[in-house]
Parts: sequence; C-alpha cells; structure tokens
Amino acid sequence: DIQMTQSPSSLSASVGDRVTITCRASQSISTYLNWYQQKPGKAPKLLIYAASSLQSGVPSRFSGSGSGTDFTLTISSLQPEDFAIYYCQQSYSTPYTFGQGTKLEIK
Amino acid sequence: QVQLVQSGAEVKKPGASVKVSCKASGYTFTSYYMHWVRQAPGQGLEWMGIINPDGGSTIYAQKFQRRVTLTRDTSTSTVSMDLTSLRSEDTAMYYCIRDRSPGAFWSGNFDYWGQGTLVTVSS
Repeated sequence: DIQMTQSPSSLSASVGDRVTITCRASQSISTYLNWYQQKPGKAPKLLIYAASSLQSGVPSRFSGSGSGTDFTLTISSLQPEDFAIYYCQQSYSTPYTFGQGTKLEIK
Repeated sequence: QVQLVQSGAEVKKPGASVKVSCKASGYTFTSYYMHWVRQAPGQGLEWMGIINPDGGSTIYAQKFQRRVTLTRDTSTSTVSMDLTSLRSEDTAMYYCIRDRSPGAFWSGNFDYWGQGTLVTVSS
C-alpha cells in the first residue's frame, strides 16, 4: 500500500496568514493526489483533485501543487471558516490511502 | 442536487454483522462509481472498497476482503455495505461517497459524501 505522510500534524495560524501543508507519498503517484477539508462532526469536503485542480465551488485562496512524491496545499489568506483538519489522499492505486491529517487551529 | 442519504446509527455486539445503506438522488445512479470510507473516532480516513452501480462489480481493500460486501439496487438507487464478524476496532463512522468522474472509469476522487453512519461495536 502507498503510505501518505503529512506535515505538520498541527498548525496554529491567524486570520490572513498564508499557510502551507505538505504531503509526501511513499512512491511516485504522478499527480494522483487530492486534498480534503473536514470540520467537526461533518464529512470531508473535496478541495483539490489531480494535485492542482480546484473543485467547483471551492474558493480560489486554496491551491495545490506538486507531482511525483511531494505535494503542497496552500491557503493564501486564512479565513475564519478555514480552521479545520486537512487530509491528502492518493488516487494512484487501490487501496486508496490518506494522510494522517493536519489540524489547522486559530492562533 | 446530488444527495446521498445513509441509514441510521447501529449498535452491534462483537461477532455480529451490520448493513449500512446509502440512497442516492439528484443524478443518474448508474453513471458514477461509489466508494465506502470509514473513520474511527478521532482518527483518520480508511478506504474500504468501490462498487460500479451499473454492473455491480467491486474492488475491496485487502484488509476488508473477507468481511465486506458491497451491493447495489438500481431500482431504488441504493448501495449497501455489509460488514461481518464485527469487532471493537470496527467502531467508526462509515461514509458512502460518489466518485467525481462519470462513465466507465473511476477517478478515485470523492466529491459527494453521505452524512455518515455511526456503527458502534460493544459487548
């Protein structure tokens, strides 16, 4: 199985900050990498697919980049509603696997 | 609008089985593959398997291969997940999820999620 490792595991930031979360795959996955946001008590929400494509309806302050084994999710200017847990997920091969999550908290 | 409505919470004893259903609406049911993912309390996400609602073919994660069965009923636009030989480690929220891409091939991207069904396994 492909292992996905996110860093950091948690992050404190302020409204307006620029934030970057990284995700590393245990083998090359081309650009088969997706990002999700999960708020307490809710199902995850797709933000970015295929490493850099913005899902319909997602604000443009979210962006993704990377290929091969190293990927990043960037939030250009944090808004109050962005404080949540973020997960990366590889869709290169089954079983699809997720990173352990990055908890983004208010500083 | 696309909706996935799952069945209600379940409490089961170790060794029992559980069936979670997921009724789809707002799109052509047979055009999109469906996945199942679970999340233990306070933990991360774990992919369990995928079903083609058109032909019924399935792929399971090896971890669940012997205990999980995914089925679909095209007459009611419902997919279901059966999990047998339950143990305490199976206590989790179970989600059905529509694949983002229509057609003969799935993408592995999860765009619409059900509300989740909490399965608790306890003696």
